[in-house]
Amino acid sequence: EVQLVESGGGLIQPGGSLRLSCAASGFNFRNYWMNWVRQAPGKGLVWVSRIGDDGSGAVYADSVKGRFTVSRDNAKNTLYLQMNHLRADDTGVYYCTKGQYFASGSFNSWGQGTLVTVSS
Amino acid sequence: ENVLTQSPGTLSLSPGDRATLSCRASQSVINNYLAWYQQRPGQAPRLLIYSTSSRAADIPDRFSGRGSGTDFTLTISRLEPEDFAVYYCQQYGGSPFTFGPGTRVDIK
Repeated sequence: EVQLVESGGGLIQPGGSLRLSCAASGFNFRNYWMNWVRQAPGKGLVWVSRIGDDGSGAVYADSVKGRFTVSRDNAKNTLYLQMNHLRADDTGVYYCTKGQYFASGSFNSWGQGTLVTVSS
Repeated sequence: ENVLTQSPGTLSLSPGDRATLSCRASQSVINNYLAWYQQRPGQAPRLLIYSTSSRAADIPDRFSGRGSGTDFTLTISRLEPEDFAVYYCQQYGGSPFTFGPGTRVDIK
């Protein structure tokens, strides 16, 4: 069974930094591109970032480009999102997602999400 | 970026009714790579439909998708109590991936 378990969320002041983690199991992690998707409270889904199976090919939404960095450790089956210079509009639940196959952008597996709150 | 618009914003229906949800893209969706997700309160989204019309694993056949280019539709043939939720469309043919704002299906 595929499992994605996010951690690292919390309350952080504007301008601060957080690193999110996503522990993956139940599939061959190193064979899949991975993504982060976020959802502000009461709002819709927003794609944030994706990374290639070997750690290359990172792509970001314009709203986080230059502030967020996605990475992965295939030996630990873990995906990361380093978030710097956080702003109030970064508040939300951050989901780790896996595509249906290799580099697919249709996400058939989602974690339970981790809540990031940016507030003073 | 390819902006997705969903209509209606809210659909109020009864169990057993047919639901028709619309998703319109500002640009043609490459390869018709259009997906639909269901999100129940307090839960992560669940993939229902990919590539416009293919059902994901374990999705009941009352869910169907169709469309091409810029106009897409999700149909739920007969609403079950567990189908009252928010539905999002997503295009993944071009970068960045984008989601629509969602359609809420409420119990009338």
